[in-house]
Amino acid sequence: DSGVTQTPKHLITATGQRVTLRCSPRSGDLSVYWYQQSLDQGLQFLIQYYNGEERAKGNILERFSAQQFPDLHSELNLSSLELGDSALYFCASKEDPGGGELFFGEGSRLTVL
Amino acid sequence: AQSVAQPEDQVNVAEGNPLTVKCTYSVSGNPYLFWYVQYPNRGLQFLLKYITGDNLVKGSYGFEAEFNKSQTSFHLKKPSALVSDSALYFCACLWMNRDDKIIFGKGTRLHILP
Repeated sequence: DSGVTQTPKHLITATGQRVTLRCSPRSGDLSVYWYQQSLDQGLQFLIQYYNGEERAKGNILERFSAQQFPDLHSELNLSSLELGDSALYFCASKEDPGGGELFFGEGSRLTVL
Repeated sequence: AQSVAQPEDQVNVAEGNPLTVKCTYSVSGNPYLFWYVQYPNRGLQFLLKYITGDNLVKGSYGFEAEFNKSQTSFHLKKPSALVSDSALYFCACLWMNRDDKIIFGKGTRLHILP
């Protein structure tokens, strides 16, 4: 158990809909990273937060947004969903300062029909 | 641009033989380097890392990795493969700058044949 909790584990929805994925980092970790894993794209970095503020942005679509709340949990919002958004979405947290390694949740599997 | 490359989509090794999973990186500066393993339907698990010092680092489950600065490589190795090592392996780089961005390679699927 990594200590990172992601909900929901599975989500099935229709095109055009909006979903919210939730992540609770390890106790004390200030950094939260979001990644998308699809079969043919590997692990794509979406966005990073540190203590409530956006720190780095990767290949995140404009239809997607995220935030980190004062209690350090984070949410990834996906809107106007398309079939191609079907993927595993991982959240990871990192200790700061620390050794740099990420601790991953078990992921949220999104299926868009 | 910063990037991490894993040139092999899949590596097949017979049980008991040594294994190598390759990783190269393209950076400016001195990155932190990591290997992670992912079992089916699970999140990624940290295996080992290189920050500085000895070029050979040891990690979990008998894995080790060799850092080569001149070749900008960080290959994962194990002297004797087990069937249970079959999984998806990811190399990653962390650039310790203002962003602390962590970039992953596309992953290498390791098959250990009994």
